[in-house]
Amino acid sequence: GQNIDQPTEMTATEGAIVQINCTYQTSGFNGLFWYQQHAGEAPTFLSYNVLDGLEEKGRFSSFLSRSKGYSYLLLKELQMKDSASYLCAVQRHNNAGNMLTFGGGTRLMVKP
Amino acid sequence: DVKVTQSSRYLVKRTGEKVFLECVQDMDHENMFWYRQDPGLGLRLIYFSYDVKMKEKGDIPEGYSVSREKKERFSLILESASTNQTSMYLCASSTTVNTEAFFGQGTRLTVV
Repeated sequence: GQNIDQPTEMTATEGAIVQINCTYQTSGFNGLFWYQQHAGEAPTFLSYNVLDGLEEKGRFSSFLSRSKGYSYLLLKELQMKDSASYLCAVQRHNNAGNMLTFGGGTRLMVKP
Repeated sequence: DVKVTQSSRYLVKRTGEKVFLECVQDMDHENMFWYRQDPGLGLRLIYFSYDVKMKEKGDIPEGYSVSREKKERFSLILESASTNQTSMYLCASSTTVNTEAFFGQGTRLTVV
């Protein structure tokens, strides 16, 4: 089994920076994903980390520390359209292949 | 564009009925997944498949079965639907390489 923890809700102001944390415990770690999900829609891919360090992609960055079982998603220059749930997902490898397991998601509300 | 298509957006079934949820992907992906998503619980993995006729239990397989007779199609079966299976069901697919999973639009199942 594995535990993936992230805050349930966060609120931030338009134009600001917000950091969403994710901690995990798993065996066979094989990468960590961040997804964005708007209400009523399917999750869409944001980022992938398999090695320690920071991956930057425009306004979004994701960081991973495998030794600490820790990741964060950093959103800069927040826009109203960034109001969504952000899902941390851990991929682990076992004899059957790669399983992808999600945390409970963090609902981010961006206010004017 | 990768497309993952779920057969229905909304379904209403009666307790005790046998229910089939179908998922088709058009990118020749090896891995396919079924999740259910409930408020406060996030996405929970029911079953996944890494090849035709191969299946592995996820975190909450009880009350469900799956079938993968062709590479592009992955079916979730509720042998005898119960009210606690009322949920949003999401199908996803990915390659064996460490790339993101692509999600279908989801099926909102209500069991009455």
